[in-house]
Amino acid sequence: TQLLEQSPQFLSIQEGENLTVYCNSSSVFSSLQWYRQEPGEGPVLLVTVVTGGEVKKLKRLTFQFGDARKDSSLHITAAQPGDTGLYLCAGEKGTYKYIFGTGTRLKVLA
Amino acid sequence: ETGVTQSPTHLIKTRGQQVTLRCSSQSGHNTVSWYQQALGQGPQFIFQYYREEENGRGNFPPRFSGLQFPNYSSELNVNALELDDSALYLCASSAAQNTGELFFGEGSRLTVL
Repeated sequence: TQLLEQSPQFLSIQEGENLTVYCNSSSVFSSLQWYRQEPGEGPVLLVTVVTGGEVKKLKRLTFQFGDARKDSSLHITAAQPGDTGLYLCAGEKGTYKYIFGTGTRLKVLA
Repeated sequence: ETGVTQSPTHLIKTRGQQVTLRCSSQSGHNTVSWYQQALGQGPQFIFQYYREEENGRGNFPPRFSGLQFPNYSSELNVNALELDDSALYLCASSAAQNTGELFFGEGSRLTVL
């Protein structure tokens, strides 16, 4: 049973556009992580957010953790083809035990 | 520093057979977790091993079992394979002194016919 729902499930945009991916749950998490996974590879960590309301920026990517620590968003500014991949949120339910979201598959067209 | 390595990368089995997947954790990492990722979905937590003991399990039947060895490498065993077991099996290692990051291998893609 997936406790973390991501939306949208699929997203195809042109290079230079902005986008937001959402990760929602009815559960509270002690921390939440975002990963990116490319075909044939395992997920790679992008960021960890811990505090409710926390905002972190990683170049063109902005991550926000909801005040109640149940939801999160990832915003990409001026998307590039290199941003293409499967984006996964993961909520921590115990030491190193993570519940992964359903995933958002992003394709950025040149 | 050697990353997480998994073997085999691809394998094909038939229903009812048994499979063993292997994982070498990143140097210095004492915790290994296994995830199942069905096509088009996010990874699902199978179980975690810490210092050779199972340390948490997801919603998977007992025919999914594992081991962790003194060098922290790990095995995932699946008995009585079913068609729905077809998936990418990911191993992730982590260490107590890091910030909770999971370091994933490239996975073993299992196809059950």
